[in-house]
Amino acid sequence: DAKTTQPPSMDCAEGRAANLPCNHSTISGNEYVYWYRQIHSQGPQYIIHGLKNNETNEMASLIITEDRKSSTLILPHATLRDTAVYYCILVGKSSGDKLTFGTGTRLAVRP
Amino acid sequence: DTGVSQNPRHKITKRGQNVTFRCDPISEHNRLYWYRQTLGQGPEFLTYFQNEAQLEKSRLLSDRFSAERPKGSFSTLEIQRTEQGDSAMYLCASSEGSEAFFGQGTRLTVV
Repeated sequence: DAKTTQPPSMDCAEGRAANLPCNHSTISGNEYVYWYRQIHSQGPQYIIHGLKNNETNEMASLIITEDRKSSTLILPHATLRDTAVYYCILVGKSSGDKLTFGTGTRLAVRP
Repeated sequence: DTGVSQNPRHKITKRGQNVTFRCDPISEHNRLYWYRQTLGQGPEFLTYFQNEAQLEKSRLLSDRFSAERPKGSFSTLEIQRTEQGDSAMYLCASSEGSEAFFGQGTRLTVV
């Protein structure tokens, strides 16, 4: 019963921006939007998170709509090493920060 | 301290045997989580500890599973009387704030 909806797969060309969408229309006021990714045969890796403001770090940018019902993860210059499964997850701070993963978006970066 | 360490990385066992996995979290991380991941699916939450206290257990954690975190440091996950359905990747994560750091997992194969 994942609370987020993501496309199962996407691709983009190396060097171009990758924009990964996520719908979370039932998000609660105290839930944060988190993004993790999982490269094949490795554990998930934290990317970024936000509550309602847009966020940027050295890995990516997170754009959250004003109504908070959807968000977009942006990898500004995708490389082949960004090929991975990307998970959009809602985390409530009263839930011990446990992560409820869906099936994510499999991003393939093309040379 | 270079990250979350899990041992062994791979385990093959016969059905009915008991297995134990170990997780060494990042030093001073007070939260420790166990997840299970089967092929093609996102990780599923099993349980988490705040220091030595086990605060939540998923209904996925049957009575054949037990987890401990003595003294709030390393943790062990034991599966008794293994079944073929227990074959999966078992992931450990630790955190002290917003970001969870995952180990590379222990891949269990029950034959």
